[in-house]
Amino acid sequence: DTGVSQNPRHKITKRGQNVTFRCDPISEHNRLYWYRQTLGQGPEFLTYFQNEAQLEKSRLLSDRFSAERPKGSFSTLEIQRTEQGDSAMYLCAPKRELEDGELFFGEGSRLTVL
Amino acid sequence: GQNIDQPTEMTATEGAIVQINCTYQTSGFNGLFWYQQHAGEAPTFLSYNVLDGLEEKGRFSSFLSRSKGYSYLLLKELQMKDSASYLCAVRDGRRNAGNMLTFGGGTRLMVKP
Repeated sequence: DTGVSQNPRHKITKRGQNVTFRCDPISEHNRLYWYRQTLGQGPEFLTYFQNEAQLEKSRLLSDRFSAERPKGSFSTLEIQRTEQGDSAMYLCAPKRELEDGELFFGEGSRLTVL
Repeated sequence: GQNIDQPTEMTATEGAIVQINCTYQTSGFNGLFWYQQHAGEAPTFLSYNVLDGLEEKGRFSSFLSRSKGYSYLLLKELQMKDSASYLCAVRDGRRNAGNMLTFGGGTRLMVKP
């Protein structure tokens, strides 16, 4: 049990459609990270939140991507006007701010854009 | 920025020992992590080094040399279930980087009978 739930686990969509992924940490975590992993590559950082504040965004996060964490608990990642290059696994990792050490990833949401 | 290199693929025999190397060049360093990832699943944490030396955890050990920008993951008594990708990741040492990790491309390990 990684302490985080991601939904949907799989999403197949047509190019140009919008998709939204949700990350629900099971318990309180100040920080929450989003990563993207394309086939055959390592995960790439997208963005992270401390409580409801989005503190850092990667340049990978184009203007078609938006992430929110409205109440400092769950988070959503929306992709507008999806492109085939958006096909990837989207991974969420919550963390308590003062904890050292590793990130534990959720099971991920796999997106396939046709 | 961060640059992390690891071999793309390795093959080893069940029961043997395998060493997966990782070299990195970073603008800031605050720890090195190894993750295991089976096909279609999320990465799972294996080990963490922040100081030089060897960290042992059962069949898995990880070594770090900060001066050389080098780490390795050692897997002993290989089992078929160890067939997976192994990801090396460096944590950014900048003050505002939070826990941001930069990952290498992963090493796909195939264990053969």
